[in-house]
Amino acid sequence: DSGVTQTPKHLITATGQRVTLRCSPRSGDLSVYWYQQSLDQGLQFLIQYYNGEERAKGNILERFSAQQFPDLHSELNLSSLELGDSALYFCASSGTSGRATEQFFGPGTRLTVL
Amino acid sequence: GESVGLHLPTLSVQEGDNSIINCAYSNSASDYFIWYKQESGKGPQFIIDIRSNMDKRQGQRVTVLLNKTVKHLSLQIAATQPGDSAVYFCAENKTPGNQFYFGTGTSLTVIP
Repeated sequence: DSGVTQTPKHLITATGQRVTLRCSPRSGDLSVYWYQQSLDQGLQFLIQYYNGEERAKGNILERFSAQQFPDLHSELNLSSLELGDSALYFCASSGTSGRATEQFFGPGTRLTVL
Repeated sequence: GESVGLHLPTLSVQEGDNSIINCAYSNSASDYFIWYKQESGKGPQFIIDIRSNMDKRQGQRVTVLLNKTVKHLSLQIAATQPGDSAVYFCAENKTPGNQFYFGTGTSLTVIP
């Protein structure tokens, strides 16, 4: 158990809809990272937040957004969903540095867009 | 956490043997190279990292080698155990921007 929790575990929705994925980092970790793992593109870095502020941006679509709240949990919002958004979405956290290679991953949220 | 559907390189080793998993990277500007392990149904798990100014780093039963001349990274696992069966990803960390780029992974199967 990494100490990172993600909810929900599974999510099934329709095209055009909007969903919110939630992540609680390990106790004391200030950084949260979001990743998408799809069948055709592997594991892709989306975005990083550090202590409430956006720190790094990867291949995140404009339809996607994220935020980190004062209690350090984070949410990833996916809107205008398309079939191709079906994937596993992982959240990871790391310690007190704004940059860390040792990240602790949650169990993921499996999103299915029908 | 499976990567089914991707054409993953595969490696099968006998329990107790050493495993070597290879990765080619593209960007010489990466600051760190990282190895992650992902077991079926789980999120990736950090194994070891190496800074770009190093050639070798050892951990517990694992060694990472970095050859910057040919842009090649390898992970050696000593005395491979059934619990080592997983998909292994190499990743690059680049600044500025603190970007992370993951490879497609190698599926390691340990034969008891």
